[in-house]
Amino acid sequence: DGGITQSPKYLFRKEGQNVTLSCEQNLNHDAMYWYRQDPGQGLRLIYYSQIVNDFQKGDIAEGYSVSREKKESFPLTVTSAQKNPTAFYLCASSPLRLKSLSGANVLTFGAGSRLTVL
Amino acid sequence: AQSVTQLGSHVSVSEGALVLLRCNYSSSVPPYLFWYVQYPNQGLQLLLKYTTGATLVKGINGFEAEFKKSETSFHLTKPSAHMSDAAEYFCAVSDRREYGNKLVFGAGTILRVKS
Repeated sequence: DGGITQSPKYLFRKEGQNVTLSCEQNLNHDAMYWYRQDPGQGLRLIYYSQIVNDFQKGDIAEGYSVSREKKESFPLTVTSAQKNPTAFYLCASSPLRLKSLSGANVLTFGAGSRLTVL
Repeated sequence: AQSVTQLGSHVSVSEGALVLLRCNYSSSVPPYLFWYVQYPNQGLQLLLKYTTGATLVKGINGFEAEFKKSETSFHLTKPSAHMSDAAEYFCAVSDRREYGNKLVFGAGTILRVKS
């Protein structure tokens, strides 16, 4: 079955350590996204990528980094510069929307990774 | 910039009662509109979306939503709540004028269903 796989599901980190969250999709989607979820704040966009080897910052990119070397993979690194990294992280993908007014493509989400900083 | 407001962070209904979850958006041009549901420690699942055409949209699990341009609203309803509807619900918008599919989410509404 096609879908998005996020790993690990739970992750604990000591302060000052970098961690990388994995996101793999087999939906043949061009676009991929990382969102951060905090209680009562909804989801906020960290980074997104519409094509391999290209990505853009979202609303809260500070303290995070990404890479897009393969179409199916979009790993997120939470660096030590992120002041409050404890959160639930969600990866999503969608077909590429090339034109405005061409209709909305639905995002498909992974099951999420919960990061806790000790 | 677009924004989404969900009125009520928590909504409690009895099993069999009407479910009404409110969503208002702020945008100079009506955006694409979505409702997603999230069960604990899981990802988001699409309930329904509005892009164009008929303003009353039917989704999965008996949910529906109506786009009202004059009220800048996209409220989610279900005639009769079931225990399995207990979850967190997110309203989201996407700017139809932009390339790509970035979503802006509301803060979410946690639905509790009482037996």
